[in-house]
Amino acid sequence: DMKVTQMPRYLIKRMGENVLLECGQDMSHETMYWYRQDPGLGLQLIYISYDVDSNSEGDIPKGYRVSRKKREHFSLILDSAKTNQTSVYFCASSFRQGSAETLYFGSGTRLTVL
Amino acid sequence: KTQVEQSPQSLVVRQGENCVLQCNYSVTPDNHLRWFKQDTGKGLVSLTVLVDQKDKTSNGRYSATLDKDAKHSTLHITATLLDDTATYICVVGDRGSALGRLHFGAGTQLIVIP
Repeated sequence: DMKVTQMPRYLIKRMGENVLLECGQDMSHETMYWYRQDPGLGLQLIYISYDVDSNSEGDIPKGYRVSRKKREHFSLILDSAKTNQTSVYFCASSFRQGSAETLYFGSGTRLTVL
Repeated sequence: KTQVEQSPQSLVVRQGENCVLQCNYSVTPDNHLRWFKQDTGKGLVSLTVLVDQKDKTSNGRYSATLDKDAKHSTLHITATLLDDTATYICVVGDRGSALGRLHFGAGTQLIVIP
């Protein structure tokens, strides 16, 4: 069963603390993404990874960094979290076969920064 | 400026009724358009992908249309069930590869009541 797994599901941190959000996929997909979802807004791309150690900034990378040392794992790191980083974070992976690309999303991590 | 606008913002229908969700966009180029279903507290699940200039797809009780000239898509849900209660998200891809960007709408919240 194809799956994108995010850990943890819920996280509460204080402002200034470091945050690590983890994402794993069991499909050997090359491309992975980190998005955040805020009320009334569409998902916003934070970072995209094309493969191990091949990462690119998305539309809102400020305050975040990522790490991809293995194809199946993609981590999102917040160094010194801020209250405006309270959000739901989604990881996704994609697979291309011919002209068709399929996206798989994790269930999200709800981060609250106090 | 929001490039993908969905309407209505929310919709309440009775079980068994049909409904239509709208998506207007200004994304250029518009390579493809996807509809996702997001259950509360869960990730996005793909319903359908539309690619052609004037395209139609069908997936069980879900059917969708795309008119690239009008930059407009609709998602029709026939004979709604209580399990159709979710947020439906329209996403426009500006290229056909992982290098392209996905532009997300804020979603339409559908509530199906008995």
